[in-house]
Amino acid sequence: EVVLTQSPGTLSLFPGDRATLSCRASQSVSSTFLGWYHQKPGQAPRLLIYDATTRATGIPDRFSGSGSGTDFTLTISRLEPEDFAVYYCQYYNGSPLTFGGGTKVEIK
Amino acid sequence: QVQLLQSGAELRRPGASVNISCKTFGYTFANYYVHWVRQAPGQGLEWMGLINPRSGAISYAPKFRGRGRLTVTRDTSTTTVYMDLSSLTSEDTAVYFCAKSRRPGVGTTPKDYWGQGTLVTVS
Repeated sequence: EVVLTQSPGTLSLFPGDRATLSCRASQSVSSTFLGWYHQKPGQAPRLLIYDATTRATGIPDRFSGSGSGTDFTLTISRLEPEDFAVYYCQYYNGSPLTFGGGTKVEIK
Repeated sequence: QVQLLQSGAELRRPGASVNISCKTFGYTFANYYVHWVRQAPGQGLEWMGLINPRSGAISYAPKFRGRGRLTVTRDTSTTTVYMDLSSLTSEDTAVYFCAKSRRPGVGTTPKDYWGQGTLVTVS
C-alpha cells in the first residue's frame, strides 16, 4: 500500500498569497496516477489536477501540479477567496487506492 | 449533464446493515467504473472499492475484503450502483460518496464527478 503524507497540516495565508502544498509517497510512484482534489465543508471533493500536472476541466490556471517519484506539489499562484478549503492528494493505482491526510488552507 | 444522485441519510443500530444507492445520469453507464469513498466526521477520505458497470466485476480495499462486509452491485437497466455495508459499528459512521472514473474502461483513474454524499450514522 502506498502511503501519502501531506504537509503542512494547515496553511494560514492571505487572499492573493501563493500556496505550496506537499504530498510525499512512501515509495516511488508513477506520476500518471497522482491527483489532487479540494473539498469545501459539506461538499464532495472536486478534481483539480490529474496525472500530477494536468488541470481538470474548468480548473483555473492559478492551480498547477508538479513532481515525480515520491515528492509532488500543488501550487496555487494567487489565492482567491473560493480556494480556502481542504486539499487531498490521491494515488489511484493498485489496491487500495489511497488518499493523503489533507492540507487545510485557511484565511489568515 | 453528468450527475450522480445518492439516496438519503440513514440511521442504523450497531450490527445492522445499510444500503446506499447512486443513480447516474448523463453518460454511458457501462463505460465508466464507479467508486465508493467514505469520510468519517472531521476526517480524511477513505477509498472503499469500485465496480465495473459493464461486467459487474468489483475490487474492494483490503480492510473490507476479509469479513465480506462490503458488497457493491449495479443495475444496468436503471444505471444505478449500490453499496451495501453490513455488521455496522460506530466506526462506520461517515459520509459515503460514489464517484465516477474519469477515463473509460479503467479503475486506475481519478474521479471527475461525485455524488452529493450520504450520511450514515451508527448509534
